[in-house]
Amino acid sequence: AQKITQTQPGMFVQEKEAVTLDCTYDTSDQSYGLFWYKQPSSGEMIFLIYQGSYDEQNATEGRYSLNFQKARKSANLVISASQLGDSAMYFCAINTGGFKTIFGAGTRLFVKA
Amino acid sequence: SAVISQKPSRDICQRGTSLTIQCQVDSQVTMMFWYRQQPGQSLTLIATANQGSEATYESGFVIDKFPISRPNLTFSTLTVSNMSPEDSSIYLCSVDHGTGYSYEQYFGPGTRLTVT
Repeated sequence: AQKITQTQPGMFVQEKEAVTLDCTYDTSDQSYGLFWYKQPSSGEMIFLIYQGSYDEQNATEGRYSLNFQKARKSANLVISASQLGDSAMYFCAINTGGFKTIFGAGTRLFVKA
Repeated sequence: SAVISQKPSRDICQRGTSLTIQCQVDSQVTMMFWYRQQPGQSLTLIATANQGSEATYESGFVIDKFPISRPNLTFSTLTVSNMSPEDSSIYLCSVDHGTGYSYEQYFGPGTRLTVT
């Protein structure tokens, strides 16, 4: 069975600073995908970034990057130059190709002006 | 990416009644997913819906409570039956739109349900 652990219920960051949101995962599958989603207060789920288990380079999408450490089974999200609009819930998730995506408990990020 | 719409966006319902949520996708997709997000919680998969076959329900969810239809490759409905206050949640429709080894799921805007 797959599992995602997000140990930070809430995080604060100063505007324009970088922040790292932690995510560790557990799976016995060799092929899997790791995802981060953002959920603002409106409730929609916004796909941010994807990392495949066979990808050798860390994924980047604009201000988002994924610090993938396969041996440690961690997939931390790094947000650079935080903006007030980044305040939201962030969910880490894993999919092992069975079309079922497992989500972590989430981390609420607060960006301070 | 897929564009997904849901109706209604929110509703307030009385206990004992039923609500049907619609999900429309702008392209044909094989699988559609329905998630529930209870207040302050993460997302929990209710069921997976394939066109032309019965939906596959996750543990803890049954067809009598959450009947699902999938009449074609771009549309699905989820009904929340005989509602109780515990059903107050955001219900999200999702599709798998990945390619190759990528399995991104894209989500609709959600339906915020309050049961009184």
